[in-house]
Amino acid sequence: SYVLTQPPSVSVAPGETARITCGGNNIGSKSVHWYQQKPGQAPVLVIYYDGDRPSGIPERFSGSKSGNTATLTISRVEAGDEADYYCQVWDNSSEHNWIFGGGTKLTVL
Amino acid sequence: EVQLVESGGGLVQPGGSLRLSCAASGFTFSSYAMSWVRQAPGKGLEWVSTISGSGVKTYYADSVKGRFTISRDNSKNTLYLQVSSLRAEDTALYHCATVVSNWFDMWGQGTLVTVSS
Repeated sequence: SYVLTQPPSVSVAPGETARITCGGNNIGSKSVHWYQQKPGQAPVLVIYYDGDRPSGIPERFSGSKSGNTATLTISRVEAGDEADYYCQVWDNSSEHNWIFGGGTKLTVL
Repeated sequence: EVQLVESGGGLVQPGGSLRLSCAASGFTFSSYAMSWVRQAPGKGLEWVSTISGSGVKTYYADSVKGRFTISRDNSKNTLYLQVSSLRAEDTALYHCATVVSNWFDMWGQGTLVTVSS
């Protein structure tokens, strides 16, 4: 089955840029979506279709892909961005499957 | 305002069953595919099941296939998940979510299922 690999943790100082990666075989052929989950809260979609932002998501959040890696970039990081972040793809190689990465804990120092 | 409110979770013994519900409001329920996504304590997100807007098509993760059944009642704007033959590893917070294209757009807060003797 398809696997998405994320680093367990990323740390960044306020005002700096955080980059969270999501690796997967041939991920370039799939659409990648990103979710933010703060403690005790439901996940929130922050990026869809690789790099599109839902309404209400700050422009500081952006997404990109290169080779076998997708990246969520958060510019000018704020304390309120501290959360778990998950990437997700839809894999139709066998049966329909929605696949999540293992998640990355973003710590704002 | 879109609202998804889950209910029906609880403590159940291994091998037991529960029916989870997700009451939807603020959007045209029948127009959207819906999913259940779970999160074990301290762990990541795991897709469980998806049902089309009409209810005709259903999809399941291998980990729950044959034990869980997703359904919906569009007249009641409610999504269901019948969970059976429960195992300790099914212990999780179960979220319902709307599906747009192939991502999860809006999420509920979840209902907790604990499988323990």
